[in-house]
Amino acid sequence: AQSVAQPEDQVNVAEGNPLTVKCTYSVSGNPYLFWYVQYPNRGLQFLLKYITGDNLVKGSYGFEAEFNKSQTSFHLKKPSARVSDSALYFCAVRALYGGATNKLIFGTGTLLAVQP
Amino acid sequence: DTGVSQDPRHKITKRGQNVTFRCDPISEHNRLYWYRQTLGQGPEFLTYFQNEAQLEKSRLLSDRFSAERPKGSFSTLEIQRTEQGDSAMYLCAGGTGDGTGELFFGEGSRLTVL
Repeated sequence: AQSVAQPEDQVNVAEGNPLTVKCTYSVSGNPYLFWYVQYPNRGLQFLLKYITGDNLVKGSYGFEAEFNKSQTSFHLKKPSARVSDSALYFCAVRALYGGATNKLIFGTGTLLAVQP
Repeated sequence: DTGVSQDPRHKITKRGQNVTFRCDPISEHNRLYWYRQTLGQGPEFLTYFQNEAQLEKSRLLSDRFSAERPKGSFSTLEIQRTEQGDSAMYLCAGGTGDGTGELFFGEGSRLTVL
C-alpha cells in the first residue's frame, strides 16, 4: 500500500539558517512526489514535484527537494529560512503502475516554525 | 488564488441533518478531487472525478456520502444524516492533464456537527 511518513511533527529553525523537512515514502512502482504548504485558514499550495529526471528539484519561494530512491526519501530544503516560511508542510505521493490510481496520499504534515 | 472556490466556507449543523458543499474549479480542470482534513492530520482522499465520471471512491467513504459532477464542471459533496465524526475541513482540488501535475486546492469548507 502507498504511504508517506513525515517523522517530525514540528521543526524549529532560526531565521537565516538552513532548514530541512523530512519525508519518506512507500509505493509499488515509480513514485510521483509532491510538497504542499498550508498557511493558517488557507488551502494547500503547491511547492514542487518530482516526476522523473534530475533528483534535485527546485520549487517556489526558494525551496528545493532531493529525491533519493535508495532511501525512499524526498526531503524538503531551503538554504536560508525566513519567518514568512512558517507554515504547515505536507509531503504527498502518487504511485505509477498498471491501473494507476489517480489520488495523492498525503503525510500527516510538519509544522515549520522560523524564529526571528 | 488557485481559481478553485468552495461554498460555504463554514457550516454548523446539528447531528442528523444533511449538508451539501459545492466546489467550482476553473474550466480547464478536467480532474476534480475531494479530500477531508481533520486537525493534526493530512488530507484524506475521498473521491475523484475525471470530467463528469466518478472514477475512484475511498473505501472510507460511507454510503452517507455522495458526490456528483454534472457536466464536468462544478461538483457537490453531500453528507446525509451527519454525525459528530463528520466534523472536518472538506477540501476540493482541481487538476489538468494526465494527473502528473499539481493539484489546485480551494480554501475548504469547514463542517462542525453539534
